[in-house]
Amino acid sequence: EVQLVESGGGLVQPGGSLRLSCVGSGLTISGDWMNWVRQAPGKGLEWVANINHDGNKKYYVDSVMGRFTISRDNAKNSLFLQMNSLRAEDTAVYYCAKKNDFAVWGQGAMVTVSS
Amino acid sequence: EIVLTQSPGTLSLSPGERATLSCRASQSVTSDYLAWHQHKPGQAPRLLIYGASSRATGLPDRFSGSASGRDFTLTISKLEPEDFAVYYCQQYGTTPYTFGQGTRLEIK
Repeated sequence: EVQLVESGGGLVQPGGSLRLSCVGSGLTISGDWMNWVRQAPGKGLEWVANINHDGNKKYYVDSVMGRFTISRDNAKNSLFLQMNSLRAEDTAVYYCAKKNDFAVWGQGAMVTVSS
Repeated sequence: EIVLTQSPGTLSLSPGERATLSCRASQSVTSDYLAWHQHKPGQAPRLLIYGASSRATGLPDRFSGSASGRDFTLTISKLEPEDFAVYYCQQYGTTPYTFGQGTRLEIK
């Protein structure tokens, strides 16, 4: 089955850190832009960050700039999101998505920031 | 940033009816890089339309997208039970990429 699989979510205290991973299964991510998107409870979708095929171009939404870092390891067919200085408002399901047009989405990983 | 405004917020229709969902951009969307996604609770979102009017692989032809300037439309010609979900438009021409707030398509 062709899919993206996220992992690494969980409960973390405000100010803490978490690293999300996204692995391609039955598909390769190496030639494509990759994205992270989140959905807070009861809210809509929000684009978080993206990265080009070789990792030398990265873009972020203002609200995570300086706190989150997107990266990739094409040899491991994997995408990452390092999240530092987490806030309550970062609580959301985080999805990875492949290509600029978000052709393939993962099932999501839940991140809860709470004391 | 480009703000996308979707209407209506909720659309109540019956299976077999035609659904028309709208999305207006606050400024021009580069190269019509506008997508529509379907999202059901507990599932991964699903790409339906890209480039404003191109259907994703395997998408039934009852789904169609169109564009006129800053206005974009998703039409579902004859609703099936599995079509009831939340639909988002999204622009991917300019960072930050942005989504509309969503239209909930519910069974009447």
